[in-house]
Amino acid sequence: QKEVEQNSGPLSVPEGAIASLNCTYSDRGSQSFFWYRQYSGKSPELIMFIYSNGDKEDGRFTAQLNKASQYVSLLIRDSQPSDSATYLCATPYSSASKIIFGSGTRLSIRP
Amino acid sequence: EPEVTQTPSHQVTQMGQEVILRCVPISNHLYFYWYRQILGQKVEFLVSFYNNEISEKSEIFDDQFSVERPDGSNFTLKIRSTKLEDSAMYFCASSGSGGNQPQHFGDGTRLSIL
Repeated sequence: QKEVEQNSGPLSVPEGAIASLNCTYSDRGSQSFFWYRQYSGKSPELIMFIYSNGDKEDGRFTAQLNKASQYVSLLIRDSQPSDSATYLCATPYSSASKIIFGSGTRLSIRP
Repeated sequence: EPEVTQTPSHQVTQMGQEVILRCVPISNHLYFYWYRQILGQKVEFLVSFYNNEISEKSEIFDDQFSVERPDGSNFTLKIRSTKLEDSAMYFCASSGSGGNQPQHFGDGTRLSIL
């Protein structure tokens, strides 16, 4: 059974700093990874996806994948109060099938 | 930007009653999913649907649950005889293809069973 592990937090980061969110996964065969942002009471919102080892940047967000260490991370630069949310790491379980979600890391950006 | 839409946003139902949750996936997407999230818990997979049939379902998706794509746009989740423990947020998602493609989620339906 594939698993995705995240530190539940809360992770508190001052406004303007870099927030670093981490995720480990159990199945070495996992190919792709998604980061979703979820505000309280709202639905998961896709913010990044990464398939290849290394870094992928999109605006203030950088996803990092290290398949050898089975480790995925999300960096948020210039953190804003609006970034305060729960961040979910996820990976597909199999083709045409479900996403396995981690339990999420709650991020709080303090002014 | 295209989005997944769900109705209703909130459904309150007496235990034992049937509910139907509705979703309109993104128009050119082929794979459809239902997930649920009990308050304070993980997002859990319920069922995936492709080519007019269920491709996978979880242990949660027992005989009281069913899905249907009655026309070219809607995708529904029916719960036949609701229980208190069915109270949760239910999210519909869709993707353009299966496998490694990300899934896009609707805003969810909050289901409250009394």
